[in-house]
Amino acid sequence: EAGVTQSPTHLIKTRGQQATLRCSPISGHTSVYWYQQALGLGLQFLLWYDEGEERNRGNFPPRFSGRQFPNYSSELNVNALELEDSALYLCASSDSSYNSPLHFGNGTRLTVT
Amino acid sequence: RKEVEQDPGPFNVPEGATVAFNCTYSNSASQSFFWYRQDCRKEPKLLMSVYSSGNEDGRFTAQLNRASQYISLLIRDSKLSDSATYLCVVGGSQGNLIFGKGTKLSVKP
Repeated sequence: EAGVTQSPTHLIKTRGQQATLRCSPISGHTSVYWYQQALGLGLQFLLWYDEGEERNRGNFPPRFSGRQFPNYSSELNVNALELEDSALYLCASSDSSYNSPLHFGNGTRLTVT
Repeated sequence: RKEVEQDPGPFNVPEGATVAFNCTYSNSASQSFFWYRQDCRKEPKLLMSVYSSGNEDGRFTAQLNRASQYISLLIRDSKLSDSATYLCVVGGSQGNLIFGKGTKLSVKP
């Protein structure tokens, strides 16, 4: 069974540009989560989607947005990139059970120059 | 009190040692508890769930103390390959999971 897949693996952008990150959950999982992990720091919760709806949002500015498609894949968009947005962006999926464990993809490493 | 709190370490132990990590949480209504392992610059991976009665998986034992609101992870007979950051994860009030910042373990030969 395929795990969570994320693309691209690496992304280099310049300040002010927009970045789009993609995630495909494990087959049968309807929930997708996005986390940011800056170098040497812990996971910061960004967004949670379930059945196409945004369920919860972390303490990030509105330029971080996303969506979930009918096939449960998801996209994270970061507008007006800033240098401090450089981080590993991790996507995770779970089934719809309350507080199910998360299964992570390999992440997208975003570098903003 | 932070939602999930862990000692960041590092814990430096010799091979074969027994090491224990604790994690405290603030939401007394939490129902789900997990330990994840994260290797340097990699994604976190589920190590084990933590059940009320405590549970064991090989050299790893997890315990939950609801009264004091902490969970623990015990690693026996440490291996070099156990070197990683261990993340404590607790169910949040809105259905999402809250990750601790992690405890770094370094097992030396």
